[in-house]
Amino acid sequence: EAQVTQNPRYLITVTGKKLTVTCSQNMNHEYMSWYRQDPGLGLRQIYYSMNVEVTDKGDVPEGYKVSRKEKRNFPLILESPSPNQTSLYFCASRPRSAMNTEAFFGQGTRLTVV
Amino acid sequence: QKEVEQNSGPLSVPEGAIASLNCTYSDRGSQSFFWYRQYSGKSPELIMFIYSNGDKEDGRFTAQLNKASQYVSLLIRDSQPSDSATYLCAVIGGSARQLTFGSGTQLTVLP
Repeated sequence: EAQVTQNPRYLITVTGKKLTVTCSQNMNHEYMSWYRQDPGLGLRQIYYSMNVEVTDKGDVPEGYKVSRKEKRNFPLILESPSPNQTSLYFCASRPRSAMNTEAFFGQGTRLTVV
Repeated sequence: QKEVEQNSGPLSVPEGAIASLNCTYSDRGSQSFFWYRQYSGKSPELIMFIYSNGDKEDGRFTAQLNKASQYVSLLIRDSQPSDSATYLCAVIGGSARQLTFGSGTQLTVLP
């Protein structure tokens, strides 16, 4: 089954404690991205990756890091989480071509930073 | 100006009516346009995509694109209570690098 898998689904952590949210896709997609979703703000892109070892900042990259060492994995790293990073996070993947590029989303990770 | 703008709503329509959702975008070179439906706390799911000017119909859904006006809309005919959700407009810009979302329109279909 084609899917994007995020883990964990729910996470409560304390300010400053480094954490990683994993994302893996089994569709051989080149393009992967991370979004955060906050009430009234829609989905805002944090980082995206066009292929292995190629990453770029999205609209709200501050406080986040990513890496793309393998095509299937695109982890999101919060080195020192803060309460304003409490949000619902989605990982997505799609093929590189611009046309017919439905984005496949993971199930979401609800992060609370206290 | 936001790259992709939607009326946040909420929009309420009675069951059986037509719901009309609108979206404008700022990048004139944008190539691909998508409508996603999202239920509360769930992942967005794709319901329509459109690339060419005009209308595209799929069941009860019709997407309309007008590139000259930089405007894309979604019509839902015979609205059902199960259509109650947030609808997200998304656009792939001219660089084809980013899929940008609007803030979403919350739709409620009243029985």
